[in-house]
Amino acid sequence: DGGITQSPKYLFRKEGQNVTLSCEQNLNHDAMYWYRQDPGQGLRLIYYSQIVNDFQKGDIAEGYSVSREKKESFPLTVTSAQKNPTAFYLCASSIDAPGTGEDTQYFGPGTRLTVL
Amino acid sequence: GEDVEQSLFLSVREGDSSVINCTYTDSSSTYLYWYKQEPGAGLQLLTYIFSNMDMKQDQRLTVLLNKKDKHLSLRIADTQTGDSAIYFCAETSDTGRRALTFGSGTRLQVQP
Repeated sequence: DGGITQSPKYLFRKEGQNVTLSCEQNLNHDAMYWYRQDPGQGLRLIYYSQIVNDFQKGDIAEGYSVSREKKESFPLTVTSAQKNPTAFYLCASSIDAPGTGEDTQYFGPGTRLTVL
Repeated sequence: GEDVEQSLFLSVREGDSSVINCTYTDSSSTYLYWYKQEPGAGLQLLTYIFSNMDMKQDQRLTVLLNKKDKHLSLRIADTQTGDSAIYFCAETSDTGRRALTFGSGTRLQVQP
């Protein structure tokens, strides 16, 4: 089955701890994205990567870090510097061919992070 | 920056049509998308439309785009209880960053 997987589905963290959320895709997509969703709000972009070993900050990157060592993997680390990390985190990927319609983003099932 | 706005809530009866509206500000938008999110789940792509089109139909879904007014709508014909979800409008442009800009979502409630 082709798709995007995120793990774990639920994650609990104590204040002051770093935690890493996993995102893997087997769609052979070049671009990957991390979004944060808060209740009653749309998704906000944290980081994105259009190619291996390169990534760009999104709108709310403070307190987060990413790596893109492999095409299929784009893990997100929520650091202790993130002041309000409790949220639903969604990973997406796309072929990244702008102007063709083939850059449609497909989403994983999400990870719900709760800080205790 | 760019902005996408949607109404927060829509309630319809089963079998009626639903129309969910969205406005956006980015005049360089190339693609506009509709995603569906069920409780606790990720986003499911429903359909998308290229900015040089004004209508796209896909089974029960009809997307209308008024580029002059920057207004996008999603019509769901014969709405079913399984259509109850949050619907997100999103846009992307060719101006560098290709991440999506989302509206805050419209919660559709279908009453039997």
